[in-house]
Amino acid sequence: DTAVSQTPKYLVTQMGNDKSIKCEQNLGHDTMYWYKQDSKKFLKIMFSYNNKELIINETVPNRFSPKSPDKAHLNLHINSLELGDSAVYFCASSPGQGNSPLHFGNGTRLTVT
Amino acid sequence: RKEVEQDPGPFNVPEGATVAFNCTYSNSASQSFFWYRQDCRKEPKLLMSVYSSGNEDGRFTAQLNRASQYISLLIRDSKLSDSATYLCVVTRAGGFKTIFGAGTRLFVKA
Repeated sequence: DTAVSQTPKYLVTQMGNDKSIKCEQNLGHDTMYWYKQDSKKFLKIMFSYNNKELIINETVPNRFSPKSPDKAHLNLHINSLELGDSAVYFCASSPGQGNSPLHFGNGTRLTVT
Repeated sequence: RKEVEQDPGPFNVPEGATVAFNCTYSNSASQSFFWYRQDCRKEPKLLMSVYSSGNEDGRFTAQLNRASQYISLLIRDSKLSDSATYLCVVTRAGGFKTIFGAGTRLFVKA
């Protein structure tokens, strides 16, 4: 029983397409996140939701739209995919206000051709 | 300047060696500190939290110096299985923004 699960694990698509990544956590956590890890392995926060409310939006292009239907789910929709969007996207969750560590999903490797 | 800076790697050490990683952070209001480990093509996993008094977990010792805004991780008696990337992680005051350092790669060889 996976704590933070994301689908799909791999996603290969062409420039200009629209795609979604789904994330679910069964830990009962209040806060969920999306991180992007680029080819240089740098992990950068994109979004954070607390109890379905967006609280962090880090200068991410408008083509990226997160959606949290309930506090156990945080999905990421990407419009008009670009080559530079190729990366590993990690979903994570935590119990609350940052003094607790993050629990990560095992990542979605997105390749845009 | 990045908010969290780590030693550039990679570190190549023999089994049994002691190795130390350093990390500095720029936001003095940072409130929580962690070391994570990331294996190749895997997700980051918590190694240990870092407390002001310093803390130890088996072969791993973490230290925090708030005055110098400096965090360290010491690994004693390195094992082959310690080979990974070690990420220094800081959470800003307010609690919802967790910042990762770029990571330090460790290779332990037989």
